[in-house]
Amino acid sequence: QSALTQPASVSGSPGQSITISCTGTSSDVGSSNLVSWYQQHPGKAPKVMIYETTQRPSGVSNRFSGSKSGNTASLTISGLQAEDEADYYCCSFAGGSTLVFGGGTKLTVL
Amino acid sequence: EVQLVESGGGLVQPGGSLKLSCAASGFTLSDYWMSWVRQAPGKGLEWVAKINDDGSEKYYVDSVKGRFTISRDNAKNSLYLQMNSLRVEDTALYYCARGGKSYFASWGQGTLVTVSS
Repeated sequence: QSALTQPASVSGSPGQSITISCTGTSSDVGSSNLVSWYQQHPGKAPKVMIYETTQRPSGVSNRFSGSKSGNTASLTISGLQAEDEADYYCCSFAGGSTLVFGGGTKLTVL
Repeated sequence: EVQLVESGGGLVQPGGSLKLSCAASGFTLSDYWMSWVRQAPGKGLEWVAKINDDGSEKYYVDSVKGRFTISRDNAKNSLYLQMNSLRVEDTALYYCARGGKSYFASWGQGTLVTVSS
């Protein structure tokens, strides 16, 4: 149950696109299409942005998209906006019906 | 509107016990897997435990196995986390979350557990 690997920080200017990676192993990300992504603003509860690797919940902007290749999942945010500045966490279904989160990525909008 | 309200957090000494509760409303609790997720101060999210819709399946992160017990009472629309043999490293904000079979659709605001002498 080792944490998934995410970059500590990413940044981008308004209007640009950024991608956050989430690297696991063949026992979690690599063997599952059950990767989800969460946005967390300071002092707030997390909010799901992507589930089942590529699915976007109702109400989430289509600027957010998810993908996966091998043991690495990715979250892409296009048309970056100031309100996107937050911490982002990936999560994957893992062995033994457990779940594992990534360490989190701080997104700064310049 | 889905609402999850956690309670039961507080200050406890190492080795002590605490029971967290989560009151659910706005949906039928018995239709969903439920989970507890924690976040240590200034740190990332960590999944702690999950339970299936009728309580027959329970899963835990290795670090809490044998010490924590997740349970539910669908008739009372409530989820629980019994925490025993608490350690300093269990200090965190504990979130109740709807889901856990594949993702967490809704979250409460959390209840803070501090383990310190």
